[in-house]
Amino acid sequence: DAGVTQSPTHLIKTRGQQVTLRCSPISGHKSVSWYQQVLGQGPQFIFQYYEKEERGRGNFPDRFSARQFPNYSSELNVNALLLGDSALYLCASRPGPQGEAFFGQGTRLTVV
Amino acid sequence: AQSVTQLGSHVSVSEGALVLLRCNYSSSVPPYLFWYVQYPNQGLQLLLKYTTGATLVKGINGFEAEFKKSETSFHLTKPSAHMSDAAEYFCAVSPPVDYKLSFGAGTTVTVRA
Repeated sequence: DAGVTQSPTHLIKTRGQQVTLRCSPISGHKSVSWYQQVLGQGPQFIFQYYEKEERGRGNFPDRFSARQFPNYSSELNVNALLLGDSALYLCASRPGPQGEAFFGQGTRLTVV
Repeated sequence: AQSVTQLGSHVSVSEGALVLLRCNYSSSVPPYLFWYVQYPNQGLQLLLKYTTGATLVKGINGFEAEFKKSETSFHLTKPSAHMSDAAEYFCAVSPPVDYKLSFGAGTTVTVRA
């Protein structure tokens, strides 16, 4: 079975632009979470979705938004990109709102 | 609120030697505790977790960790390091209700031949 898949794997954006990152959870998993991992730091929680509803939000500005689709895939959107948004963005899926999180390989975003 | 402190950003061990990675946490509720490993350019892989029950937890690849409530610690050990253990290791805590993970800053392990 395929694991958590994220696309794209790498991308480069310019300050002020907008970006959309995509995540497909493991088949049968209904919960998706997003994390930001800045170089040299541990991942920071951004959002959690379950059954297409937001179940939690971390301490991130409103420039960050997300949604979950009927097939349980998810998108993370970041508007008005700043240099500090450069990071590895990780998606994790779970069967339900609780339980072990399975992580994708991440999307490496570089803002120049 | 939860937070994690990993003591030592870098640990270097000889092949065959003990690996000890330290993790202390703070939590307003009885926590769930996790150790993850991250290889270069990859996502996170769960090594082991403590939720309830036995405080000594065994994980994959020969790792184990012990939950010590009195010390608010969850240190990770492996009796004999292998070259393939070179990676970054993250300790994480979450409240049982929502499984929102709070990670430490990570410890990079290098293994000397």
